[in-house]
Amino acid sequence: GENVEQHPSTLSVQEGDSAVIKCTYSDSASNYFPWYKQELGKRPQLIIDIRSNVGEKKDQRIAVTLNKTAKHFSLHITETQPEDSAVYFCAAPTSYDKVIFGPGTSLSVIP
Amino acid sequence: DAGVIQSPRHEVTEMGQEVTLRCKPISGHNSLFWYRQTMMRGLELLIYFNNNVPIDDSGMPEDRFSAKMPNASFSTLKIQPSEPRDSAVYFCASRPGQLNEQFFGPGTRLTVL
Repeated sequence: GENVEQHPSTLSVQEGDSAVIKCTYSDSASNYFPWYKQELGKRPQLIIDIRSNVGEKKDQRIAVTLNKTAKHFSLHITETQPEDSAVYFCAAPTSYDKVIFGPGTSLSVIP
Repeated sequence: DAGVIQSPRHEVTEMGQEVTLRCKPISGHNSLFWYRQTMMRGLELLIYFNNNVPIDDSGMPEDRFSAKMPNASFSTLKIQPSEPRDSAVYFCASRPGQLNEQFFGPGTRLTVL
């Protein structure tokens, strides 16, 4: 069935270190993979996305990698800062364009 | 553009009452999504529309929930009768097409006493 798994559920890093969050999906038809950031009490907002014809995409300190064969994609945040503390969600559309979100990763960056 | 607009922002009601949540998507977006967010269940997709037509409502918890999109600029999510376990933040999101970002509204925080 349709499923998106996300690991870890919580992550704590020291400021300046890197953080990596991994998602796996089940629908092989998925072809668009966004990552959303949700700060406490606010709405989810897109931070980066990748399409299936690309293996990696980078935007300043944030990067996403995609492995379609293994059906997983990862978010990489380098040189973490306290303002990176938030909940991060991955998502994947199914063959019927139904967007399924992962359960979220709560990232804490310790100053 | 004002972004996705939701109303009310907060709703407190008593068990058994009818609750109606409203959403205005971004103009020109042809897909609209309703989500429910709780600590226990995360971000759940309830229903989504393409060009005002409901495509998948398999996430709607039960018959107490219903959603409509009478035109491209307005959608409602109704709960009748409401129960305490319906307490959550309800987000509406719109999207300009496939393989595109979803833009979320500010959410409606619903508390059912």
